[in-house]
Amino acid sequence: DTAVSQTPKYLVTQMGNDKSIKCEQNLGHDTMYWYKQDSKKFLKIMFSYNNKELIINKTVPNRFSPKSPDKAHLNLHINSLELGDSAVYFCASSHPDRGGGNTIYFGEGSWLTVV
Amino acid sequence: DAKTTQPNSMESNEEEPVHLPCNHSTISGTDYIHWYRQLPSQGPEYVIHGLTSNVNNRMASLAIAEDRKSSTLILHRATLRDAAVYYCILIKYNFNKFYFGSGTKLNVKP
Repeated sequence: DTAVSQTPKYLVTQMGNDKSIKCEQNLGHDTMYWYKQDSKKFLKIMFSYNNKELIINKTVPNRFSPKSPDKAHLNLHINSLELGDSAVYFCASSHPDRGGGNTIYFGEGSWLTVV
Repeated sequence: DAKTTQPNSMESNEEEPVHLPCNHSTISGTDYIHWYRQLPSQGPEYVIHGLTSNVNNRMASLAIAEDRKSSTLILHRATLRDAAVYYCILIKYNFNKFYFGSGTKLNVKP
């Protein structure tokens, strides 16, 4: 059973298109995230949702919008795609645990290529 | 936000122990030290975490300095499957804000 699953795994699309990446977690976690990993392999947090409230929104263009229909899902919508949006996007979820901190569970990633 | 500093890359021989260092001189009392690793073409995965005391699990050991300004992830016997980028990050309990640094790319030689 996959804990955090995201689709599609690979996506090639043209500039200007609108696309979505779906994410689902079956761990019962309260918080979900979207991360972007660029060609230099830096992982940067984009969004964090806790109980349907956006609690983190770093300097991400408003072309990117997270949509959370319920606690188990956090989808990423991207409008007017640009070449610079090409990257790997990771969905993740977490929940505070007794051992301290938040253990984060990541999906396998969605490879987005904008041509 | 407390940041971490790690060497860009390290190399190890298979079956030998590996010590991956991390400096976090600005750590606060509520920061937990977490280690994640990312294998090629996969999402990051949890390795281990701790607060003050050294920790052991089936994957690795975590040694935390007494002043908590540095820590070391120990892989007791490196295998080829341990070749990955290892990230040391600080996470506050119940606070969903954390950042991944550039990590250490571990290369394991047969």
